[in-house]
Parts: sequence; C-alpha cells; structure tokens
Amino acid sequence: GAVVSQHPSRVICKSGTSVKIECRSLDFQATTMFWYRQFPKKSLMLMATSNEGSKATYEQGVEKDKFLINHASLTLSTLTVTSAHPEDSSFYICSARDRDLASEQYFGPGTRLTVT
Amino acid sequence: SQKIEQNSEALNIQEGKTATLTCNYTNYSPAYLQWYRQDPGRGPVFLLLIRENEKEKRKERLKVTFDTTLKQSLFHITASQPADSATYLCALGRGQAGTALIFGKGTTLSVSS
Repeated sequence: GAVVSQHPSRVICKSGTSVKIECRSLDFQATTMFWYRQFPKKSLMLMATSNEGSKATYEQGVEKDKFLINHASLTLSTLTVTSAHPEDSSFYICSARDRDLASEQYFGPGTRLTVT
Repeated sequence: SQKIEQNSEALNIQEGKTATLTCNYTNYSPAYLQWYRQDPGRGPVFLLLIRENEKEKRKERLKVTFDTTLKQSLFHITASQPADSATYLCALGRGQAGTALIFGKGTTLSVSS
C-alpha cells in the first residue's frame, strides 16, 4: 500500500532556531504534497500545497517566509519552520497524492514540534 | 463559507453494536468524500473513498453512504470492537489535481467491552 513517512517524529527546539521536517512518499510518486497542522482535539488545518518543481501555494494566514516548503522531487517535500516560537508548537502532518490515483491521499505519521 | 460538521465530538457504544457517524457539509460541491481514522499522536489513516455518483461503499465491516441532495455522508462500523476506538475524520475533495481535502473536526468513538 501507499506509505508516507515523516522525519523526525518528534523534535524539541529553542525559540529562534529553525527546524526542518521531511515528508517522503515511499512507494509511489507524488506530484502534490500537502502540509497540515493540528492542535489538540482540533481538525487538520491545511497550511500549504506543495507541487513538485514549483512554488508552494499557501493558505490564507500562513506566512510563507516562516514556513518554507520545498518539493524537490516526486517523493520528497520539506517544511522548514524558521525562527520558531512557542506558538509554533503543534503536530505537523504531511500528505501525498499518488500521481496515478488523483483522489486518494495518504498521510504521514506526523511530527510533534515543541518550541521551548 | 465552506463548512463540514461531524455530528458529535464523542460517541460511546458497546462492543458488537453498529456505530454510525455523520458528516454534513454546506456551501461545497465535493467530487468525492473520504473517511479517515486517526489515533492519538498519529497521522490519519485512509479508510474509504466514495464519489459523488456513488450511493454506498463497503469494505469489510465498514459502510459509507453519500447523499449529495442531503449533503450528508454516514459512516457505519458494524460489529464494533474496542480496537475500533479512535477519532474518525470525514474529508471532502473537489477532484481537481492538486486540490487539498477539507476536514471535519472528527468524532471520537469509544467502544466498550
């Protein structure tokens, strides 16, 4: 089946530092990947849509200079949280859409970011 | 604005019973609807997809219905087991390549033995 991995699964960083989260589709090619964040007992909120080889599309209210997204290949997208603050602490989840199955979307296991 | 509502935040049922979860939406015309399961601290796991021209879909103990007139989907788990306890999310998609899913807040199901 389609598998999406994320690394790291947990990360703790100090305020002001940057953190990079990787999202990989392991057994399929994904032209589009999505980044979500989720607060406790809340729904997944879409942050941005990442298309291979082009700039990411950010949702309203999401700062593109703070959340840098790079989709360098059909199997890898990265999200870098720059100059992290405690309010950036959250659960970040990526998903990938199989290039050959336009509808189905597969999620990574998530990354728990804690900014101290 | 687009709105997705899942009938309740929490649903408690006894083992062996059928769990029925509801997803209603407004101001949206989805091409398909998906149901996911999410366990605490984990990413969502895809369960079922149903398209706008389909009325019902089944997979093992799971059944999904989709009524585009009522703008509602029902998700059933028959012969529920404690292992089915999790949060279930419904998500709507438009179908165009590159468009993201829109998620409901989820319903947390607890199945007691």
